[in-house]
Amino acid sequence: GQQLNQSPQSMFIQEGEDVSMNCTSSSIFNTWLWYKQDPGEGPVLLIALYKAGELTSNGRLTAQFGITRKDSFLNISASIPSDVGIYFCAASNYQLIWGAGTKLIIKP
Amino acid sequence: NAGVTQTPKFRILKIGQSMTLQCTQDMNHNYMYWYRQDPGMGLKLIYYSVGAGITDKGEVPNGYNVSRSTTEDFPLRLELAAPSQTSVYFCASSKTGNYGYTFGSGTRLTVV
Repeated sequence: GQQLNQSPQSMFIQEGEDVSMNCTSSSIFNTWLWYKQDPGEGPVLLIALYKAGELTSNGRLTAQFGITRKDSFLNISASIPSDVGIYFCAASNYQLIWGAGTKLIIKP
Repeated sequence: NAGVTQTPKFRILKIGQSMTLQCTQDMNHNYMYWYRQDPGMGLKLIYYSVGAGITDKGEVPNGYNVSRSTTEDFPLRLELAAPSQTSVYFCASSKTGNYGYTFGSGTRLTVV
């Protein structure tokens, strides 16, 4: 079946660092989405991408829909403490497929 | 606008007991979904519905049942609770199948 490979699994970052994560698949998708889940809450949509090559920003977050339609990237610039959480990629042609998540942790 | 509302937030069940997890959305979304999330893991689709009267199995449907008698409500039923069903359950809705989903805040279920 269709699978999304999300990496890294977890990241330890210091405040102010830039963060990059990605999601890849062997299948082609029409839509890529990025969600964030805070502890004890449901995932919240951050960015939606609908066209191959599309680059979309939401504040300090930037995501790209890969030109091959098989991957997507999320970058967070100048990380702050409230960025901690789990970031999920998701992709769809008809039904949404989810990545396993990237856990962002602030180094003490 | 309440969005997606799930009740209860927490529940402890004994093995073999039954319960219904409630989910209501007020956005007039056709699509609704039930996911489970085990500790440290991603989301697994249990059941979904593309409209009132229509439901279909997801990746992990065994041990669960759903119904969709109205656009707003999509309850999830556990008939004979098992420890393997200890998880956090999320309900979500969307306007279309590949549009961004709106999630509820989850129900944390423990089966002992």
